[in-house]
Amino acid sequence: SQQGEEDPQALSIQEGENATMNCSYKTSINNLQWYRQNSGRGLVHLILIRSNEREKHSGRLRVTLDTSKKSSSLLITASRAADTASYFCATDEGQAGTALIFGKGTTLSVSS
Amino acid sequence: EPEVTQTPSHQVTQMGQEVILRCVPISNHLYFYWYRQILGQKVEFLVSFYNNEISEKSEIFDDQFSVERPDGSNFTLKIRSTKLEDSAMYFCASSEQRGGDEKLFFGSGTQLSVL
Repeated sequence: SQQGEEDPQALSIQEGENATMNCSYKTSINNLQWYRQNSGRGLVHLILIRSNEREKHSGRLRVTLDTSKKSSSLLITASRAADTASYFCATDEGQAGTALIFGKGTTLSVSS
Repeated sequence: EPEVTQTPSHQVTQMGQEVILRCVPISNHLYFYWYRQILGQKVEFLVSFYNNEISEKSEIFDDQFSVERPDGSNFTLKIRSTKLEDSAMYFCASSEQRGGDEKLFFGSGTQLSVL
């Protein structure tokens, strides 16, 4: 089933700017995770936010979760060229311990 | 930092042939997964594996697919009779706890090309 849907599909910004990516999902969830994928590489976990949390920070990353709207956002502040990658949200579809279902991703390009 | 390793990095095969993709999960992890990503598309869940059996599988994981943990370190995905539409990047992942509760560690993938 299709769960997470990221928006926008592609985003191009300049170094130093902030990048915001959104994720919407359909079912109830226990957790939502964000992953990053460099071109041709595997996914790397960035951050996990639980359904009872509204906001979480990790370095230059800020994630919000609005369970009433079934949406999450990932904010990368002061972006760098090295942040160029695809970013995916993933959810567990509300059943604790089931496999993560990924969205289509947002491709972020940061130019210097 | 421990990592998930996958071999080969690239696999080219003829339609109808069998392929085996290999993975070595992180040693103390108990849950194992296969995902695939067709070029430019979403990362799709195939199967999860725990305690020597499949714990969950998607609609994609039909009878032509199978998984096995032949020994204490390897985790394999077999495609019995490959089709053109099986061409994709296949990712193995592992986690210490079930994937919904904890982050997954992914390998770098095997690019499968079916001709």
